Amino acid sequence: EAQVTQNPRYLITVTGKKLTVTCSQNMNHEYMSWYRQDPGLGLRQIYYSMNVEVTDKGDVPEGYKVSRKEKRNFPLILESPSPNQTSLYFCASSPIDRVAVHEQYFGPGTRLTVT
Amino acid sequence: KQEVTQIPAALSVPEGENLVLNCSFTDSAIYNLQWFRQDPGKGLTSLLLIQSSQREQTSGRLNASLDKSSGRSTLYIAASQPGDSATYLCAADSNYQLIWGAGTKLIIKP
Repeated sequence: EAQVTQNPRYLITVTGKKLTVTCSQNMNHEYMSWYRQDPGLGLRQIYYSMNVEVTDKGDVPEGYKVSRKEKRNFPLILESPSPNQTSLYFCASSPIDRVAVHEQYFGPGTRLTVT
Repeated sequence: KQEVTQIPAALSVPEGENLVLNCSFTDSAIYNLQWFRQDPGKGLTSLLLIQSSQREQTSGRLNASLDKSSGRSTLYIAASQPGDSATYLCAADSNYQLIWGAGTKLIIKP
C-alpha cells in the first residue's frame, strides 16, 4: 500500500530535550516536505526536499532541522524544543515531475506538546 | 507573497443541501489549486486537484472550480450528507510550495 508514515503519532516532551520525528514514504517520491498546523493559521511549510541531499527552508524553519540521506526518509529534528513548537506536524511527499502535476500524499500527523 | 483565505471559517447546514466553500488567493501564478479534507485526529485526504490550465474538476458529488484571473476557487458539494462533516482546506501550489488556507469547518446536520 502506498503511504507516508510518521512516528511517533503523539509526543509530550519538555523544553530543551532533543527529539526526532521520523517520516518515511514507499512511493519512490523525490519531493518531501514538513508542515506544522496551528489553529486559525492553516498549514505552514517548515522544510522541503527536492531529492536526496537537497533541502530548502520553507516559511517557518526556525528551531527545526531536517536531513535527506535516503530517498524514502525525511526526519524532522528539534534540537532544543520550546513550547511555541507545540503543534500538529505533517509530512508529505510527491513526485517531482511538473509536467504531469501530482497531488501530495500526507502522513497521519504527529501531535507534539512541549511543556 | 502568496496568501490563501477561506471563507467562512465554519458552516453548518442541514443534510441534503447543496453548498459552496470558497477559497481565494492573492497571486495568480500558481501551478495548481488543491482541495483537501481533514477529519479530527486524522491526516489530510486529497479531494481534487485543478491544474492552472483547467477550469474545474469533478469527483462524485464534489466539483471544484478555478478562476485564476479573480484569484478564486470554489468547492461545490451536492446533496450533502452527515459523513461530509470535516474541515476542508484549500492550498495553492506556488513554486513547489503549498500555501494553505486556514480551512472551513463543515457540519452537516442529520
